[in-house]
Amino acid sequence: DAGVTQSPTHLIKTRGQQVTLRCSPKSGHDTVSWYQQALGQGPQFIFQYYEEEERQRGNFPDRFSGHQFPNYSSELNVNALLLGDSALYLCASSSPTQLPQLYNEQFFGPGTRLTVL
Amino acid sequence: SQQGEEDPQALSIQEGENATMNCSYKTSINNLQWYRQNSGRGLVHLILIRSNEREKHSGRLRVTLDTSKKSSSLLITASRAADTASYFCATFHRRGNEKLTFGTGTRLTIIP
Repeated sequence: DAGVTQSPTHLIKTRGQQVTLRCSPKSGHDTVSWYQQALGQGPQFIFQYYEEEERQRGNFPDRFSGHQFPNYSSELNVNALLLGDSALYLCASSSPTQLPQLYNEQFFGPGTRLTVL
Repeated sequence: SQQGEEDPQALSIQEGENATMNCSYKTSINNLQWYRQNSGRGLVHLILIRSNEREKHSGRLRVTLDTSKKSSSLLITASRAADTASYFCATFHRRGNEKLTFGTGTRLTIIP
């Protein structure tokens, strides 16, 4: 089982450019969540995808968008990059809960380190 | 915005000593989890405690939860050099979707 994989590992862009980050969920998982972690901070929820649709979104501008493919893999796109977008971007996968009182653990990938110059 | 605040922000102890980290949060939760992160890499899930539980153990880890005070603590006993990492608490709110809200983290350094 490969677990959650992300690509690329590192990325350097300049202000104003666009970037696409990729995530493959753990085998058997169909829900993908994306988080942004700035240096020295905890991860912050960006959005979650399930059945190829954005199911929930955190407090991030529309410059952040995503997509989920039929094979459950996902992309995170960031347009018009700002210096403040420099961060570690984490992808997490899980299975949806069947009952409200249950919780399915989220498994995190190693992250993509984005540097905006 | 961050849901939780970890305390202390940084902690250095000698190998073999116990390490205690605290987490406070603001709203009601369904569960609280602790994660470890080594050198800015991916997060490793350590332990989950549900809102109706008060204490949970896993190996050298002990987690407590006080929902009346909206706080949790993580105790690592008999620390090892390999425990050096950042530790985050994360709360889960069941509002129809799965969303984890992380705290600001405690940087733990174990001195050999």
